[in-house]
Amino acid sequence: DIQMTQSPSTLSASVGDRVTITCRASQSISNWLAWYQHKRGKAPNLLIYRASSLQSGVPSRFSGSGSGTEFTLTISSLQPDDSATYYCQQYNSYSPTFGQGTKVEIK
Amino acid sequence: EVQLLESGGGLVQPGGSLRLSCAASGFTFINYVMGWVRQAPGKGLEWVSIIRSDGDGIFYANSVKGRFIISRDNSKSTLYLQMNSLRAEDTAVYFCVREGYSSGICGAYDMWGQGTTVIVSS
Repeated sequence: DIQMTQSPSTLSASVGDRVTITCRASQSISNWLAWYQHKRGKAPNLLIYRASSLQSGVPSRFSGSGSGTEFTLTISSLQPDDSATYYCQQYNSYSPTFGQGTKVEIK
Repeated sequence: EVQLLESGGGLVQPGGSLRLSCAASGFTFINYVMGWVRQAPGKGLEWVSIIRSDGDGIFYANSVKGRFIISRDNSKSTLYLQMNSLRAEDTAVYFCVREGYSSGICGAYDMWGQGTTVIVSS
């Protein structure tokens, strides 16, 4: 299976800060990568697909980049509603895998 | 309204069985690959299984292969997960997902249900 490693595991930032989360794949996945936001007790929400395509309805402060094995999710100006856990997911194989998650807290 | 509604979760003893259902509405179910993703308590998301629109292509995570069976009834717009030989480590919230964007192999999930909880314990 392709392993996905996210960093950091947790981060604390202030409203208005620029936040970056990194996801590394154990082998090349081209750009077959998605990012999700998950709030406790709710359904996860797709933010980004194909590494950099913004899902309809998602605020433009979210962006994704990368290809091959290294990817980033950036929140350009952190908002209180962005407090959540974020997951990357590769879908380049018949066994999709998720990263372990990055918990984003608001200071 | 476009939604996925899971049901069938509950408490079951180790070695027991359970069948989860996911009723889809608001979109043309037969056009989509569907699947299941789970989240164990305090853990991250784990992909479980997917089934192609015609029911032909089916894939499982190694952790459930040989024990779980995914199926769908396109006439009822419903997805199922038959879970057999359940273990304590299968305890999780199970989410029904719709694949919206595909690489041709697998895809990203653009729609998720609220989840149904399965607890495996004696």
